[in-house]
Amino acid sequence: GAVVSQHPSWVICKSGTSVKIECRSLDFQATTMFWYRQFPKQSLMLMATSNEGSKATYEQGVEKDKFLINHASLTLSTLTVTSAHPEDSSFYICSAGLAGGSTGELFFGEGSRLTVL
Amino acid sequence: AQSVTQLDSHVSVSEGTPVLLRCNYSSSYSPSLFWYVQHPNKGLQLLLKYTSAATLVKGINGFEAEFKKSETSFHLTKPSAHMSDAAEYFCVVSDPAGYNKLIFGAGTRLAVHP
Repeated sequence: GAVVSQHPSWVICKSGTSVKIECRSLDFQATTMFWYRQFPKQSLMLMATSNEGSKATYEQGVEKDKFLINHASLTLSTLTVTSAHPEDSSFYICSAGLAGGSTGELFFGEGSRLTVL
Repeated sequence: AQSVTQLDSHVSVSEGTPVLLRCNYSSSYSPSLFWYVQHPNKGLQLLLKYTSAATLVKGINGFEAEFKKSETSFHLTKPSAHMSDAAEYFCVVSDPAGYNKLIFGAGTRLAVHP
């Protein structure tokens, strides 16, 4: 089946620094990827839709300048948390679907756990 | 607006006994519904999906779910739990605002005891 991989799986950084998380589709091309945030013992909240070659579409309440998304190729989307603060600590997950695939049938990365000290 | 409510945050069963994870949905149109499972340190995996075809949907690993419009429910069941079923389960509804946009329920943590 289709595989989506995230890197790093976990990262610890100091407050004020920026952190980049990569999401790769390993065996398929993804024109669209999705970024979610999951707080402990809570559900996934969609942050933004990443579109290859164009600007990401952010959900209401998500700061575009805080969470920079770049989708420069058909297999890679990156999420950069800029000037991270402890409240940005969370589990970040990406997903992608196959072109022409059934709606909602997405493949998810393993997630990246960010801890900001 | 579309939403899903998972009625139990935690469910605990004994190995070999039936599993029932409850989900109710709210939708202003005919929804597409899904169940995803999240094992520790692994990506979410699609268990099954309902997209207005048969109301009883069979998924992987012996799971199935029944879409009941009159009850606005989409409960997940399995006749006999296995230790490997212990995980977090999410009921999900598609968001018509965008292709492949999903709205997740709060999740149900399933524990399976020997």
